[in-house]
This record gives sequence, C-alpha cells and structure tokens, in this order.
Amino acid sequence: GDSVTQMEGPVTLSEEAFLTINCTYTATGYPSLFWYVQYPGEGLQLLLKATKADDKGSNKGFEATYRKETTSFHLEKGSVQVSDSAVYFCALSANAGGTSYGKLTFGQGTILTVHP
Amino acid sequence: DSGVTQTPKHLITATGQRVTLRCSPRSGDLSVYWYQQSLDQGLQFLIQYYNGEERAKGNILERFSAQQFPDLHSELNLSSLELGDSALYFCASSVAGGGLFNEQFFGPGTRLTVL
Repeated sequence: GDSVTQMEGPVTLSEEAFLTINCTYTATGYPSLFWYVQYPGEGLQLLLKATKADDKGSNKGFEATYRKETTSFHLEKGSVQVSDSAVYFCALSANAGGTSYGKLTFGQGTILTVHP
Repeated sequence: DSGVTQTPKHLITATGQRVTLRCSPRSGDLSVYWYQQSLDQGLQFLIQYYNGEERAKGNILERFSAQQFPDLHSELNLSSLELGDSALYFCASSVAGGGLFNEQFFGPGTRLTVL
C-alpha cells in the first residue's frame, strides 16, 4: 500500500540555520505530495504541495521539489525562525488509474524546535 | 482559522462508553474526512464522506462509525471505548471528493481521553 517515510526527529536548530527534512514515499501511479505543519494546540495547515514530477512547491520560505526518480519530496528552508517551531508532516494523495483519491497518507511527523 | 469546526474540544470518558464527535465543514465543501492522531500510530485516515455518501474507508475499527448529514456536517461515533482509543481526532473538509488540486482544510481536533 501507499506509505510515507520521514526522517527521524526531533530536529533542533538555531535561528537562521538551514533546514532539511527528508521525505520519501511509496505509491502506485503518480501521487500528489504535500507538506503540512501543525503548531502546538492547533490543527494541520497546508504548507505547500506539488502534483507532478519536477514541480516545486513553495510557501513562507519553505520549498520542496517532487522527485519521481528518487520518490522524494524533501522540505527545505534557507533560514529558520523561532516561529517555525512546529511538527511537520509529509503526506501523499494517491492518483491511480485516472482516479484521484482524496484521502491523505501521512508520514510520522518531524518535530522542529528553533532556538534564538 | 480553517473554517472547519469540531466539537467538543476535549472529551474524557470511561472504557466501554460511547461518544459522538461532531464536525462542520467549511462553507461549500462537500467532502469530510476523519483522521486519528495517536502517539503510536501517527496520523491515520479513518473514513471519507462526499455529499452524504461514504467514499473511502481506511483503518477504521468496526466499533467506529460515521455519517454525513444533509446539511453536510458529519459525526464520528466511537463505541465500546478502549484505553487505546485515546487520541486526537481530526476532521478535514474539501470542495471535491478527490482530484489533483483538492486541498483539505483541517479542524482543530477533538482530544479524546479514555480512562
């Protein structure tokens, strides 16, 4: 079945450091890929998405590129801020046989803590 | 604020009991999804409804059931509760039932504690 694997966390960085959170996936067909962020005590918010190979999703300084050859969708940010401290989830929505399924399959989440 | 509302915010109950979680989707959204977030299982898809009909089913236990009403709000019913059902339950909504650009908007969740 479909699955998403994220790098082991937690990740602790100093402000202005470079961030990479690795994400790889297994899916049939060509899934849509997402990064969601969950701030403490809140629900999930869509951070960025990509729907086909080589697409780059970007938002709030975060970027991720859909790499079909390596089945990856790594999240990057050049300079993190304290306010970026949250849990980050990589997810996919399967598209197979011309049918796009709405449900999301999530990775296990990566806790990011940024210190001043 | 995503526009998706969930009630109650917190729920504490005992083993063997039954509870109902409620979700109101964003205005105009026809699909409702339920997800369970627990420490050991992570975020798991439970079930999806689209315009009142069940569209997809995930790892939902037989003790759990859901429905979507004509006004499009949804309820998740959990019965014969066990300690392991303690989790955060999220509802999400989207305009369509699927599709490449079908963004899901998540509610704040209901935290269920089974004692």
